[in-house]
Amino acid sequence: DQQVKQNSPSLSVQEGRISILNCDYTNSMFDYFLWYKKYPAEGPTFLISISSIKDKNEDGRFTVFLNKSAKHLSLHIVPSQPGDSAVYFCAAKGGRDFNKFYFGSGTKLNVKP
Amino acid sequence: GAGVSQSPSNKVTEKGKDVELRCDPISGHTALYWYRQSLGQGLEFLIYFQGNSAPDKSGLPSDRFSAERTGGSVSTLTIQRTQQEDSAVYLCASSPLSGNGYTFGSGTRLTVV
Repeated sequence: DQQVKQNSPSLSVQEGRISILNCDYTNSMFDYFLWYKKYPAEGPTFLISISSIKDKNEDGRFTVFLNKSAKHLSLHIVPSQPGDSAVYFCAAKGGRDFNKFYFGSGTKLNVKP
Repeated sequence: GAGVSQSPSNKVTEKGKDVELRCDPISGHTALYWYRQSLGQGLEFLIYFQGNSAPDKSGLPSDRFSAERTGGSVSTLTIQRTQQEDSAVYLCASSPLSGNGYTFGSGTRLTVV
Protein backbone atom coordinates (compact mmCIF):
# COMPACT_ATOMS: atom_id res chain seq x y z
CA ASP A 1 0.00 0.00 0.00
CA GLN A 2 1.67 3.19 -1.18
CA GLN A 3 1.65 5.86 1.49
CA VAL A 4 2.95 8.58 -0.84
CA LYS A 5 1.40 9.02 -4.25
CA GLN A 6 2.22 11.11 -7.25
CA ASN A 7 -0.68 10.61 -9.61
CA SER A 8 0.78 12.42 -12.60
CA PRO A 9 3.55 10.39 -14.21
CA SER A 10 4.48 13.25 -16.51
CA LEU A 11 4.03 16.99 -17.01
CA SER A 12 4.96 19.21 -19.93
CA VAL A 13 5.36 22.97 -19.49
CA GLN A 14 6.55 25.83 -21.65
CA GLU A 15 9.74 27.61 -20.61
CA GLY A 16 8.99 30.63 -18.43
CA ARG A 17 5.66 29.27 -17.21
CA ILE A 18 4.84 27.76 -13.83
CA SER A 19 5.28 24.03 -13.19
CA ILE A 20 3.11 22.52 -10.46
CA LEU A 21 3.89 19.02 -9.26
CA ASN A 22 1.51 17.35 -6.85
CA CYS A 23 1.87 14.74 -4.15
CA ASP A 24 -0.63 13.09 -1.80
CA TYR A 25 0.00 11.04 1.29
CA THR A 26 -2.13 8.84 3.51
CA ASN A 27 -0.25 8.65 6.81
CA SER A 28 -1.31 11.44 9.17
CA MET A 29 1.83 10.82 11.23
CA PHE A 30 4.07 12.16 8.48
CA ASP A 31 5.61 15.42 9.65
CA TYR A 32 8.50 16.09 7.30
CA PHE A 33 8.48 16.22 3.53
CA LEU A 34 11.07 16.50 0.82
CA TRP A 35 11.27 16.92 -2.91
CA TYR A 36 14.08 15.27 -4.83
CA LYS A 37 15.10 15.82 -8.43
CA LYS A 38 16.59 13.06 -10.55
CA TYR A 39 18.37 13.27 -13.88
CA PRO A 40 18.92 10.10 -15.96
CA ALA A 41 21.81 7.92 -14.79
CA GLU A 42 22.22 9.98 -11.62
CA GLY A 43 20.99 9.55 -8.08
CA PRO A 44 18.20 11.76 -6.75
CA THR A 45 19.37 15.09 -5.34
CA PHE A 46 17.69 17.05 -2.58
CA LEU A 47 15.70 20.03 -3.76
CA ILE A 48 13.57 21.48 -0.97
CA SER A 49 11.94 20.43 2.29
CA ILE A 50 9.07 21.41 4.55
CA SER A 51 8.08 20.41 8.04
CA SER A 52 4.51 20.07 9.19
CA ILE A 53 4.71 23.19 11.32
CA LYS A 54 4.80 25.25 8.14
CA ASP A 55 2.51 25.46 5.14
CA LYS A 56 4.99 27.01 2.74
CA ASN A 57 8.72 27.02 2.12
CA GLU A 58 10.41 28.98 -0.62
CA ASP A 59 13.88 28.70 -2.10
CA GLY A 60 14.50 30.78 -5.16
CA ARG A 61 12.33 29.56 -8.01
CA PHE A 62 11.09 26.61 -5.95
CA THR A 63 8.22 26.74 -3.46
CA VAL A 64 6.68 23.83 -1.62
CA PHE A 65 3.16 24.10 -0.21
CA LEU A 66 1.76 21.78 2.43
CA ASN A 67 -1.94 21.27 3.11
CA LYS A 68 -2.07 19.01 6.16
CA SER A 69 -5.83 18.70 6.29
CA ALA A 70 -5.88 17.47 2.70
CA LYS A 71 -2.66 15.47 3.13
CA HIS A 72 -1.37 17.14 0.01
CA LEU A 73 1.80 18.90 -0.97
CA SER A 74 2.85 20.59 -4.14
CA LEU A 75 6.03 21.92 -5.69
CA HIS A 76 5.86 25.10 -7.73
CA ILE A 77 8.67 26.07 -10.09
CA VAL A 78 8.52 29.63 -11.37
CA PRO A 79 9.73 30.40 -13.96
CA SER A 80 10.38 26.96 -15.38
CA GLN A 81 13.62 26.44 -17.29
CA PRO A 82 14.66 23.66 -19.70
CA GLY A 83 17.29 22.55 -17.16
CA ASP A 84 14.47 21.74 -14.76
CA SER A 85 13.50 18.82 -16.98
CA ALA A 86 13.93 15.78 -14.73
CA VAL A 87 11.96 13.32 -12.63
CA TYR A 88 10.71 14.79 -9.35
CA PHE A 89 10.04 12.60 -6.33
CA CYS A 90 8.23 13.63 -3.20
CA ALA A 91 9.10 11.88 0.05
CA ALA A 92 7.65 11.88 3.55
CA LYS A 93 8.56 10.57 6.97
CA GLY A 94 7.22 10.60 10.50
CA GLY A 95 5.64 8.53 13.23
CA ARG A 96 7.13 5.23 14.23
CA ASP A 97 9.48 5.03 11.22
CA PHE A 98 10.89 8.44 12.01
CA ASN A 99 14.11 7.90 10.09
CA LYS A 100 12.69 6.28 6.98
CA PHE A 101 11.38 8.23 4.03
CA TYR A 102 8.55 6.95 1.86
CA PHE A 103 8.77 7.99 -1.76
CA GLY A 104 6.22 8.62 -4.46
CA SER A 105 6.53 7.13 -7.93
CA GLY A 106 7.84 10.34 -9.46
CA THR A 107 6.65 12.88 -12.02
CA LYS A 108 8.68 13.41 -15.17
CA LEU A 109 8.77 17.14 -15.95
CA ASN A 110 9.57 18.32 -19.46
CA VAL A 111 10.17 22.04 -19.88
CA LYS A 112 9.98 22.97 -23.54
CA PRO A 113 12.18 25.81 -24.83
CA GLY B 1 34.58 10.57 0.39
CA ALA B 2 32.77 13.60 -0.89
CA GLY B 3 29.65 11.71 -1.88
CA VAL B 4 27.98 8.33 -1.76
CA SER B 5 29.79 5.92 -4.06
CA GLN B 6 28.18 2.82 -5.54
CA SER B 7 29.75 0.04 -7.55
CA PRO B 8 29.39 -1.33 -10.09
CA SER B 9 27.41 1.31 -11.96
CA ASN B 10 26.01 -1.36 -14.26
CA LYS B 11 25.70 -5.11 -13.82
CA VAL B 12 24.30 -7.67 -16.22
CA THR B 13 23.89 -11.14 -14.79
CA GLU B 14 22.31 -14.40 -15.79
CA LYS B 15 19.20 -15.60 -14.04
CA GLY B 16 20.08 -17.77 -11.07
CA LYS B 17 23.46 -16.18 -10.38
CA ASP B 18 24.30 -14.26 -7.19
CA VAL B 19 25.27 -10.58 -7.28
CA GLU B 20 26.85 -8.18 -4.81
CA LEU B 21 26.30 -4.45 -4.91
CA ARG B 22 28.53 -2.13 -2.94
CA CYS B 23 27.91 1.21 -1.27
CA ASP B 24 30.44 3.59 0.27
CA PRO B 25 28.51 6.20 2.30
CA ILE B 26 29.66 9.69 3.15
CA SER B 27 32.26 9.55 5.90
CA GLY B 28 30.66 10.14 9.29
CA HIS B 29 27.11 9.39 8.16
CA THR B 30 25.66 6.93 10.64
CA ALA B 31 22.58 5.96 8.65
CA LEU B 32 22.65 3.99 5.39
CA TYR B 33 19.68 3.05 3.24
CA TRP B 34 19.08 0.84 0.23
CA TYR B 35 16.23 1.57 -2.15
CA ARG B 36 15.44 0.24 -5.59
CA GLN B 37 13.62 1.70 -8.53
CA SER B 38 12.05 -0.70 -10.98
CA LEU B 39 11.02 0.51 -14.42
CA GLY B 40 8.17 2.98 -14.10
CA GLN B 41 8.01 2.62 -10.34
CA GLY B 42 8.90 4.83 -7.40
CA LEU B 43 11.69 4.32 -4.92
CA GLU B 44 11.04 1.14 -2.97
CA PHE B 45 12.61 0.93 0.48
CA LEU B 46 14.70 -2.20 1.06
CA ILE B 47 16.79 -1.93 4.23
CA TYR B 48 18.12 0.67 6.67
CA PHE B 49 21.17 0.65 8.95
CA GLN B 50 21.56 3.11 11.83
CA GLY B 51 24.82 2.96 13.77
CA ASN B 52 25.13 -0.25 15.76
CA SER B 53 21.39 -0.87 15.96
CA ALA B 54 19.77 -3.89 14.36
CA PRO B 55 18.94 -3.05 10.74
CA ASP B 56 15.39 -2.43 9.59
CA LYS B 57 14.96 -5.19 6.99
CA SER B 58 11.24 -4.72 6.55
CA GLY B 59 11.53 -3.80 2.88
CA LEU B 60 13.52 -6.77 1.64
CA PRO B 61 11.24 -8.49 -0.90
CA SER B 62 12.40 -12.06 -0.25
CA ASP B 63 14.98 -14.10 1.64
CA ARG B 64 17.16 -14.02 -1.48
CA PHE B 65 18.03 -10.45 -0.50
CA SER B 66 20.44 -9.64 2.32
CA ALA B 67 22.68 -6.75 3.27
CA GLU B 68 25.58 -6.12 5.57
CA ARG B 69 27.27 -3.01 6.81
CA THR B 70 30.82 -3.62 8.00
CA GLY B 71 32.43 -1.35 10.58
CA GLY B 72 29.59 1.11 10.34
CA SER B 73 30.73 2.19 6.90
CA VAL B 74 30.66 0.20 3.65
CA SER B 75 27.55 -1.81 2.87
CA THR B 76 27.02 -4.74 0.54
CA LEU B 77 23.62 -5.76 -0.82
CA THR B 78 23.57 -9.38 -1.94
CA ILE B 79 20.92 -10.92 -4.16
CA GLN B 80 21.05 -14.70 -4.43
CA ARG B 81 19.65 -16.71 -7.31
CA THR B 82 18.69 -13.59 -9.22
CA GLN B 83 15.36 -13.45 -11.06
CA GLN B 84 14.32 -11.22 -13.94
CA GLU B 85 12.03 -9.24 -11.65
CA ASP B 86 15.12 -8.21 -9.67
CA SER B 87 16.15 -6.00 -12.61
CA ALA B 88 16.11 -2.43 -11.32
CA VAL B 89 18.31 0.49 -10.30
CA TYR B 90 19.54 -0.09 -6.77
CA LEU B 91 20.16 3.16 -4.92
CA CYS B 92 22.12 3.63 -1.74
CA ALA B 93 21.79 6.72 0.45
CA SER B 94 23.34 7.92 3.68
CA SER B 95 22.51 10.56 6.24
CA PRO B 96 23.91 11.87 9.51
CA LEU B 97 22.27 10.81 12.79
CA SER B 98 19.97 13.78 12.97
CA GLY B 99 19.63 14.19 9.25
CA ASN B 100 16.43 15.26 7.61
CA GLY B 101 17.40 14.15 4.17
CA TYR B 102 19.46 11.61 2.35
CA THR B 103 22.40 11.92 0.02
CA PHE B 104 22.01 9.35 -2.73
CA GLY B 105 24.61 7.57 -4.79
CA SER B 106 24.26 7.27 -8.56
CA GLY B 107 22.91 3.75 -8.27
CA THR B 108 23.69 0.34 -9.73
CA ARG B 109 21.62 -0.66 -12.74
CA LEU B 110 21.07 -4.41 -12.45
CA THR B 111 19.84 -6.35 -15.45
CA VAL B 112 19.01 -10.03 -15.07
CA VAL B 113 18.87 -11.88 -18.39
